[in-house]
Amino acid sequence: GENVEQHPSTLSVQEGDSAVIKCTYSDSASNYFPWYKQELGKGPQLIIDIRSNVGEKKDQRIAVTLNKTAKHFSLHITETQPEDSAVYFCAASKELTGGGNKLTFGTGTQLKVEL
Amino acid sequence: GAGVSQSPSNKVTEKGKDVELRCDPISGHTALYWYRQRLGQGLEFLIYFQGNSAPDKSGLPSDRFSAERTGESVSTLTIQRTQQEDSAVYLCASSQTGLRHTIYFGEGSWLTVV
Repeated sequence: GENVEQHPSTLSVQEGDSAVIKCTYSDSASNYFPWYKQELGKGPQLIIDIRSNVGEKKDQRIAVTLNKTAKHFSLHITETQPEDSAVYFCAASKELTGGGNKLTFGTGTQLKVEL
Repeated sequence: GAGVSQSPSNKVTEKGKDVELRCDPISGHTALYWYRQRLGQGLEFLIYFQGNSAPDKSGLPSDRFSAERTGESVSTLTIQRTQQEDSAVYLCASSQTGLRHTIYFGEGSWLTVV
């Protein structure tokens, strides 16, 4: 089955700096790569996703890059703010029979943005 | 409601007791998922329902775990004879069919087995 590795496990940056989180996956058939943000005591919320037919996607301060050959993808957050502090999870998926997704998650990155 | 709703939000149970966790998906979402998240760890896939198809149970950790879903509505995750290692957050998620549709998570049910 799919295996997703995520690094680093913790990341501390100064407000205004950039943060980068990296993930690798094992199943070359995976073709959907979402990123979720989880605040304490809450469920994960999708912040950005990318499909295998593109190499990069950007949404305001957040961008994701995908290298299918190397089987890795990264999350980039620019101009970090204190409210970006949370746990971030990457995931990989391929479409299941019947049309659903079975997401395999990384182990998470605790991002702390310091004033 | 507007989002995925789970109940109870918190449950403390004695070892050996059975527990039921409930999930109300977003209206119109045909796919429903259960994940488990142990403290400080990532999310583990448990089970997936899609319409009237047979569920994908490949992530259930033991035969003490089971789940049901009635049509495209409510789902119940049941854990029998709970053990301390079952303590975790149980997250339900739902989506429309297909990769282009976002998977939305509920707030989770925090289970503590004492």
